Amino acid sequence: AQSVTQPDIHITVSEGASLELRCNYSYGATPYLFWYVQSPGQGLQLLLKYFSGDTLVQGIKGFEAEFKRSQSSFNLRKPSVHWSDAAEYFCAVGARAGNNRKLIWGLGTSLAVNP
Amino acid sequence: KAGVTQTPRYLIKTRGQQVTLSCSPISGHRSVSWYQQTPGQGLQFLFEYFSETQRNKGNFPGRFSGRQFSNSRSEMNVSTLELGDSALYLCASSLEGGGASPLHFGNGTRLTVT
Repeated sequence: AQSVTQPDIHITVSEGASLELRCNYSYGATPYLFWYVQSPGQGLQLLLKYFSGDTLVQGIKGFEAEFKRSQSSFNLRKPSVHWSDAAEYFCAVGARAGNNRKLIWGLGTSLAVNP
Repeated sequence: KAGVTQTPRYLIKTRGQQVTLSCSPISGHRSVSWYQQTPGQGLQFLFEYFSETQRNKGNFPGRFSGRQFSNSRSEMNVSTLELGDSALYLCASSLEGGGASPLHFGNGTRLTVT
C-alpha cells in the first residue's frame, strides 16, 4: 500500500543548530515529492518539490531536500535553524491513482526551536 | 496574484445543523481540494474537484459533500453536524491537481460544533 512515514512526531532544536526532518515513502514508481510547512493558525505553504532531475532540491527559507531512491526517502534539511522555523512540517507524495495522481500525506513533524 | 481565500474564517454550529464553507482558488487554477485537519488525525483528504467534476474522494461519510462552479470556486457542505466534525477545514488549489502540481492553501475555516 502507498504510504508516507514521518518517523519523528516532535523535534526540538536550538536556534542556529542544523536540522534534518525525515520522510520515507512506500510507492512502486518514482513519485512526485513535496514538503509543506504550516505555521500556527495558518494554512500550509510549499517549501520545495521534486519531480525529476537533480536529486538535491532547494526550497524557500533556506531549506533543501534530497531524494534518495534506494532508501525511498526525501529528507528535509536546513543548516542553521531560526526561531521563526518553529512550525509543523508535512511530507507528501504524489502517487498514481488510475489516470490521476493523488497526494498521500505524512502525519507531520512538529518543530520547536529553543532560543 | 491573490491567494486562496476561504470564508468564513471561524464558525460555531450546534449538533444537527448543517454548514457550508466557501473557497475561492487562485486565478487560473482548476483544481480545488478540501482537507480536514484535527490534532489527532492530521490532514485528512475530503475530495478534489477539477473543472466542476469530482476527481478524487476520501473516506468520509456522505454527510460531507462538495461542488465546484464554472469559475472554479468551490463549496463544501456538512449536514447533520456531529461533535467530531469540529476541525480546521483547509482548501487548496492547484493547476493540475494535488498529486501532480503544488497545492496552494487557504488559511482555513475553523469549525466548532457544540
